[in-house]
Amino acid sequence: EPEVTQTPSHQVTQMGQEVILRCVPISNHLYFYWYRQILGQKVEFLVSFYNNEISEKSEIFDDQFSVERPDGSNFTLKIRSTKLEDSAMYFCASKRSGTSTEAFFGQGTRLTVV
Amino acid sequence: DAKTTQPTSMDCAEGRAANLPCNHSTISGNEYVYWYRQIHSQGPQYIIHGLKNNETNEMASLIITEDRKSSTLILPHATLRDTAVYYCIVRVGGGATNKLIFGTGTLLAVQP
Repeated sequence: EPEVTQTPSHQVTQMGQEVILRCVPISNHLYFYWYRQILGQKVEFLVSFYNNEISEKSEIFDDQFSVERPDGSNFTLKIRSTKLEDSAMYFCASKRSGTSTEAFFGQGTRLTVV
Repeated sequence: DAKTTQPTSMDCAEGRAANLPCNHSTISGNEYVYWYRQIHSQGPQYIIHGLKNNETNEMASLIITEDRKSSTLILPHATLRDTAVYYCIVRVGGGATNKLIFGTGTLLAVQP
């Protein structure tokens, strides 16, 4: 069964450093998303991406965050200068089409900022 | 998107049916009811969705009341692997910007 793949599974970084979280969505999917979940809290929407541009972003997704689809397969989330409060699980999700109702999630990257 | 209310936690005996309720009294006519689950910090997993008719797939059944103000997710024969947080989400179906808004969900604990 096709799946969304995220790497790395766990990343530890120093505060102030840049991190790039990587995702390979399901191959024929066109809509991409990033969510995050701080330990013990809700899953929160960050950003949606379609046709090589951001469709919607949340208040969390400030200037420190950016997304990119550098080639036909990868979808990345960059955090420019990490803060302690960026420590969380980050989930990538993809959807086949605009009328699709099911979003498929990856297993997440646990980001720890020290 | 309409607000949903779910119990914080529920227990179910292994092999029995698990019935997870969700209230969505402010749901509007074009909003669907979705269910996802999250097993111990893994990525959320889609279970089922419906508009007004009851739905069934290989994972679960979804029963939506006639006035659409509440619904019940039914796992017919719960196993230990079904222990997870179950999220009921109401939103308009489809579209690029259709983000999922997760609440706190129901923690279902399946007991041996």
